[in-house]
This record gives sequence, C-alpha cells and structure tokens, in this order.
Amino acid sequence: NAGVTQTPKFQVLKTGQSMTLQCAQDMNHEYMSWYRQDPGMGLRLIHYSVGAGITDQGEVPNGYNVSRSTTEDFPLRLLSAAPSQTSVYFCASSYRRSSGSSHEQFFGPGTRLTVL
Amino acid sequence: RKEVEQDPGPFNVPEGATVAFNCTYSNSASQSFFWYRQDCRKEPKLLMSVYSSGNEDGRFTAQLNRASQYISLLIRDSKLSDSATYLCVVPEMDSSYKLIFGSGTRLLVRP
Repeated sequence: NAGVTQTPKFQVLKTGQSMTLQCAQDMNHEYMSWYRQDPGMGLRLIHYSVGAGITDQGEVPNGYNVSRSTTEDFPLRLLSAAPSQTSVYFCASSYRRSSGSSHEQFFGPGTRLTVL
Repeated sequence: RKEVEQDPGPFNVPEGATVAFNCTYSNSASQSFFWYRQDCRKEPKLLMSVYSSGNEDGRFTAQLNRASQYISLLIRDSKLSDSATYLCVVPEMDSSYKLIFGSGTRLLVRP
C-alpha cells in the first residue's frame, strides 16, 4: 500500500513551458485535491475532485487544469508556466465525507517546482 | 477575518516545557477540526482530529471552544522531535471535505 504518490519530486521549467504533475493513490479514496504551498501562506486549494469524472475549482485555479478519468489518478497540468507558479505542490486524498464530519486527508510527498 | 488564523511563531521552548497554540476559525457551523504536523520540506500529516469538546493522545491535547470559535493544541513535556510546524485545519463553509488550512505555527524545541 503506497498511499499517495507524486512525480516528479523536483522540476525546473522555463516560462511558457507546459507540464503535468502526476498524482496517484491506492486507497480507493473518492476525494482528491491539489494544493500549492508558498512561504507564509499555508496550503491553498487549486482543484479538487469528488470522484472519477468530476472536478471543480478551488481557491487558486488559474493557470492549472485537472482531469479525473480514474479513481486512482488525478494529474495537474500547468498550461503555460509562469514564475508565479514556483511553489511546492501537494496532492491529497480522502474518503468522501459522511454527514456532518470531515475525513483525514492523506498527502503525497510533494513536487517542488521552479519556473525561471 | 481570515477563515483560519494562527500565530506564526516561532515558539522557542526548552525540552520538557509545556506549550500551547491557539487557532481561531470563522465558520461557526464547522463540526470537525484537525491539527496537522508538517516537518521541514515534508508533507503535512494528521496529528489529531477534534470532533467534540476535545481530544487527548499521550502528550498532546486538543481542545475546542465553540462559543469563542477557537481550537487549541497543548503539548506537554516537549521533545526535540516535536520541532515542526503545526497546521490548524477547518472545513470550508459549505463543504466538509474541502479543508481550509491555517498558515501554521512553528515550534522549536531546544536542548
């Protein structure tokens, strides 16, 4: 049971390049999400998905696309990288909520992205 | 008011000390709360969940004050290994699976 895995661990891009950050989980979690973490700002939600075929925007979605074709995978695409997208990106997953309570989110190890 | 607010610290304490962090939240309808721990350059990991008035796990105690809308985390007998950033996490207003993370409180435990 690998939990949540992310690739790559590190990436350097030039402005304007595109790339896909990979995220996979083997816990059969319905809910998956992408966050970015910048110094002093905490984790901010980029996009999330409550199940295969369903995605929605979070707090900071501009410049990013996602898709959820399977329960296991939730890739994040940077369409045209900008220096403002330099950050640490975390993918997380959890069981879908039951009435009145939240579930623990499990995080991947993160991808450190630098855009020059 | 930010949805989740924390004192960024750092809190610098000697080994064996007791230290407490507070976190205030704006969503009065929230039913569950979390404290996550994040080590330097690592992913956040769940430390404690709080579903009612409080929760205790060994040296760690989380308490919830719904009237004042704050959550506290108390660490007793601090260890060097407790040095980390502690994130307060609260569900978003209209969705309990979308979580709002505080920016974290940094703890440094010195020998």
